[in-house]
Amino acid sequence: DAMVIQNPRYQVTQFGKPVTLSCSQTLNHNVMYWYQQKSSQAPKLLFHYYDKDFNNEADTPDNFQSRRPNTSFCFLDIRSPGLGDAAMYLCATSRINSPLHFGNGTRLTVT
Amino acid sequence: QKEVEQNSGPLSVPEGAIASLNCTYSDRGSQSFFWYRQYSGKSPELIMFIYSNGDKEDGRFTAQLNKASQYVSLLIRDSQPSDSATYLCAVSGGNNRKLIWGLGTSLAVNP
Repeated sequence: DAMVIQNPRYQVTQFGKPVTLSCSQTLNHNVMYWYQQKSSQAPKLLFHYYDKDFNNEADTPDNFQSRRPNTSFCFLDIRSPGLGDAAMYLCATSRINSPLHFGNGTRLTVT
Repeated sequence: QKEVEQNSGPLSVPEGAIASLNCTYSDRGSQSFFWYRQYSGKSPELIMFIYSNGDKEDGRFTAQLNKASQYVSLLIRDSQPSDSATYLCAVSGGNNRKLIWGLGTSLAVNP
């Protein structure tokens, strides 16, 4: 089945220790997104790629970076995680003008 | 500021009843409307999308859009306990790359 796969499902990192979350897709969608979602809040868009074109949200902290080496893969790098970065991180994909499809998410805990 | 508003609930309905979830949006130029279901601790799952005024039906789900009144609703017929989740409304201006999300309505279907 075509899908969006995030790894790992659960990630525990220490305060200030860099962490990378990964996302892969078999849907061949040209747009990939990273969202952050905290408890009882709406998903918050961090950035997205339209093909190789990177689009950063104005309020995304510099601590968050992303890479998309090819159509299928996208990575979220958190350079120095703080306690406030503990959240569910959601990767999604879409074709242009089509609905978003989410992966299963990565739950990040910062100790 | 573009906004999407939903009643946070919880909305409680008995099994077999119709659940009605509502969403209003502020941007009159919005063109695409989505309903996602999110179980606790899981990622959002696309339930319905609608682009044109009127009703769109898919199985037990019906999305209703009224652009003049700037609201979109989701009806769930024959509600089941497995429908108990948070329902997120999302709206975009056209290319879907920037969705505006509501905070979600919590639905509880009681056996």
